[in-house]
Amino acid sequence: QQPVQSPQAVILREGEDAVINCSSSKALYSVHWYRQKHGEAPVFLMILLKGGEQKGHEKISASFNEKKQQSSLYLTASQLSYSGTYFCGTGTAGGTSYGKLTFGQGTILTVHP
Amino acid sequence: DADVTQTPRNRITKTGKRIMLECSQTKGHDRMYWYRQDPGLGLRLIYYSFDVKDINKGEISDGYSVSRQAQAKFSLSLESAIPNQTALYFCATRGDRGRNEQFFGPGTRLTVL
Repeated sequence: QQPVQSPQAVILREGEDAVINCSSSKALYSVHWYRQKHGEAPVFLMILLKGGEQKGHEKISASFNEKKQQSSLYLTASQLSYSGTYFCGTGTAGGTSYGKLTFGQGTILTVHP
Repeated sequence: DADVTQTPRNRITKTGKRIMLECSQTKGHDRMYWYRQDPGLGLRLIYYSFDVKDINKGEISDGYSVSRQAQAKFSLSLESAIPNQTALYFCATRGDRGRNEQFFGPGTRLTVL
């Protein structure tokens, strides 16, 4: 099953913060986050591995709670360039699942001036 | 030049026609993937390949087939296209080392009438 992202959409003004959540019903080994601008391909933001490590990318950071099978993406002091659709991709350990990601349905983030 | 290319970028076809979408990469990656993207459903995995001799079905492989002609080339075929295969199709690659991020091609927009 696909992981579930929430919220489905969020609208911000420049400088505001946002959190995007990703929940899975399966035990996770890794969580990837990607951003897709309108009409473009998804672009990698960061990966989190089993162990609850928190990663950062400019003013965007993320956490991974393996016990709850959840990850959250934190966008602080949002900029106009943050607008786009954010996807989490989850990876499970072992066998043919290795190297394969299952993506959530996406969260549309719109930042206004 | 782009690392991952897809041809064609846009295609309109009729129900029942056979269609091939092509993907080429210059990143030297062994792992390649085909996804389809539909509004509100995110990215769903169709097929993936870990090397030339290794092809695996993804979540939604029915109605599709693939061919891995070489490490650099991975083609997706629709044997008899139907309207609900209208979607945006992405090819992606992934390396074996480093951050293990997936690199996406620019996408092919396919319309089946």
